[in-house]
Amino acid sequence: AQSVTQLDSHVSVSEGTPVLLRCNYSSSYSPSLFWYVQHPNKGLQLLLKYTSAATLVKGINGFEAEFKKSETSFHLTKPSAHMSDAAEYFCVVSDQADSGYALNFGKGTSLLVTP
Amino acid sequence: SAVISQKPSRDICQRGTSLTIQCQVDSQVTMMFWYRQQPGQSLTLIATANQGSEATYESGFVIDKFPISRPNLTFSTLTVSNMSPEDSSIYLCSVEGEPTSALNNEQFFGPGTRLTVL
Repeated sequence: AQSVTQLDSHVSVSEGTPVLLRCNYSSSYSPSLFWYVQHPNKGLQLLLKYTSAATLVKGINGFEAEFKKSETSFHLTKPSAHMSDAAEYFCVVSDQADSGYALNFGKGTSLLVTP
Repeated sequence: SAVISQKPSRDICQRGTSLTIQCQVDSQVTMMFWYRQQPGQSLTLIATANQGSEATYESGFVIDKFPISRPNLTFSTLTVSNMSPEDSSIYLCSVEGEPTSALNNEQFFGPGTRLTVL
């Protein structure tokens, strides 16, 4: 069975400081992992994905995530937060064991960026 | 990337009625998915819809409540039947990039349909 656990429901950072959004996964197979962002009243946007290539994945808007199999983690980071980064972030796992590549979403982490 | 549109974008419905949500994709795709996002919650997969076969429903979702059609490779509908206030959610469709393309294993989401049931 596949699942993800986002360790923080809310994260607050000051503008210009680093961002760390934590995610642990559980998967019976070699997983594909994603981070999606959802801005208020907007659709979901893919930030980055890991599909068994390089373990350090770079995404859009300066975000990156590192796949650590030994820790079953896929934490999302950004060196310097911007006000526009305030949004809901979802860690997502997918593997071939289930129906197609259906995605299994974490509960989300709400990122607040303060001036 | 795939461009996905949904109709309606939002609706307010009365208890006991049904609403059909349409999802249109600008390219042919094999797999389409329907998700629900209840207020303040994450996304939950309702079902997987492949063209030419019955939709596959996840635990807790049944065809009588959420019938799905998939008449061709660019279109699908989800009906929310006999609605109650608990069905108030955002309903999203998504598609997966084709295995032979660079978009393999990547999913694209529609803008969602915001449903309020009174």
